[in-house]
Amino acid sequence: DVVMTQTPPSLSVAIGQSVSISCKSSQSLVYSDGKTYLHWLLQSSGRSPKRLIYQVSNLDSGVPDRFSGTGSQKDFTLKISRVEAKDLGVYYCAQTTHFPNTFGAGTKLELK
Amino acid sequence: EVQLQESGPGLVKPSQSLSLTCSVTGYSITSNYWGWIRKFPGNKMEWMGYISYSGSTSYNPSLKSRISITRDTSKNQFFLQLNSVTTEDTATYYCARSGDGYGNWGQGVMVTVSS
Repeated sequence: DVVMTQTPPSLSVAIGQSVSISCKSSQSLVYSDGKTYLHWLLQSSGRSPKRLIYQVSNLDSGVPDRFSGTGSQKDFTLKISRVEAKDLGVYYCAQTTHFPNTFGAGTKLELK
Repeated sequence: EVQLQESGPGLVKPSQSLSLTCSVTGYSITSNYWGWIRKFPGNKMEWMGYISYSGSTSYNPSLKSRISITRDTSKNQFFLQLNSVTTEDTATYYCARSGDGYGNWGQGVMVTVSS
């Protein structure tokens, strides 16, 4: 299975601060069609996961442009600019390039 | 708007079968892929499997032959059955539209395996 290594496991931030979360995969996530199926999800407290970004850098509808995703091959980053209280929760990277799909262990974003 | 909702018992005894239903509205399950994902205590997420628009299935090898995903297209529902459960199967179970990288999720159902 493709191992997704997310760092850091937790982040304490002040409102308005910017943060980055890293996700590294044990294999390249480029599929045979040339696309990279790496996605970012947020699970806020008491809620189901919600996808924020798909295929590395595409923002889902309604997701503010304070969120951005970058990366390629095996190395990916989620950046959140000007953190707001509603951004708190657990962030996951997920790959759907390889079978079976796998997830990172999560990064918990909390208030400092 | 696509909506998914899981339903099923919250408590299952060891060695018995876990059965969950995912009801989908706003999108036909004869399109796309529909999966089950579970989140263990402590945040670990595991993809369990999916059923495709055609009814074909794919399962995580970690679940070996314990898992089955089926569907009822007339009700726009799909189902999870996990056999011979143990306490290790205690988790929150989610259904999701998985063909586009988990674009839609249900609210989840917490299942505890305990005697």
